Amino acid sequence: EPEVTQTPSHQVTQMGQEVILRCVPISNHLYFYWYRQILGQKVEFLVSFYNNEISEKSEIFDDQFSVERPDGSNFTLKIRSTKLEDSAMYFCASSEQGVGYEQFFGPGTRLTVL
Amino acid sequence: KQEVTQIPAALSVPEGENLVLNCSFTDSAIYNLQWFRQDPGKGLTSLLLIQSSQREQTSGRLNASLDKSSGRSTLYIAASQPGDSATYLCAVLGYALNFGKGTSLLVTP
Repeated sequence: EPEVTQTPSHQVTQMGQEVILRCVPISNHLYFYWYRQILGQKVEFLVSFYNNEISEKSEIFDDQFSVERPDGSNFTLKIRSTKLEDSAMYFCASSEQGVGYEQFFGPGTRLTVL
Repeated sequence: KQEVTQIPAALSVPEGENLVLNCSFTDSAIYNLQWFRQDPGKGLTSLLLIQSSQREQTSGRLNASLDKSSGRSTLYIAASQPGDSATYLCAVLGYALNFGKGTSLLVTP
């Protein structure tokens, strides 16, 4: 069964460093998403992406964050200068179409900022 | 702003019991509602999707209902098993999924 994959599973970085989290969405899906979950808190929406453009973004997704589809299969989230409060589990998701369609989530990348 | 609330926050039941998890949301302008399962330290597994025009959806021992006008959904789990132990998340879809904090379920043998 097709699934969303994410690498790495765990990333440890120093405050102020740049990190890139990688995702491979399900192959026939057109919409891609990033969410994050700080330990003990709700899963929160960061950004949605379609046709090589950001569709929607939350107030969390500030200038420190960017997303890219560098090739036909990968979808990345970059955090330019990490802060302690960026420590969280980051989930990538994809859906076949946009609004109203079921979203399928990857296993997550746990980001720890020291 | 959409607020999603799940009650109870935690639940412990003996194996074999039927149980109901509750989800409420404040804005009825939703496209659909999705129930997820999350195991500790793991990703989110989609269990059921209910479109806003539907009243319920079933998958195996799971049945989810949706009352959009009252802003409520329930997830019914029949004949619970220890393997059902996990956190169950409800999420409503506007332009993105808006999640509740979840119900942590423990099914004891």
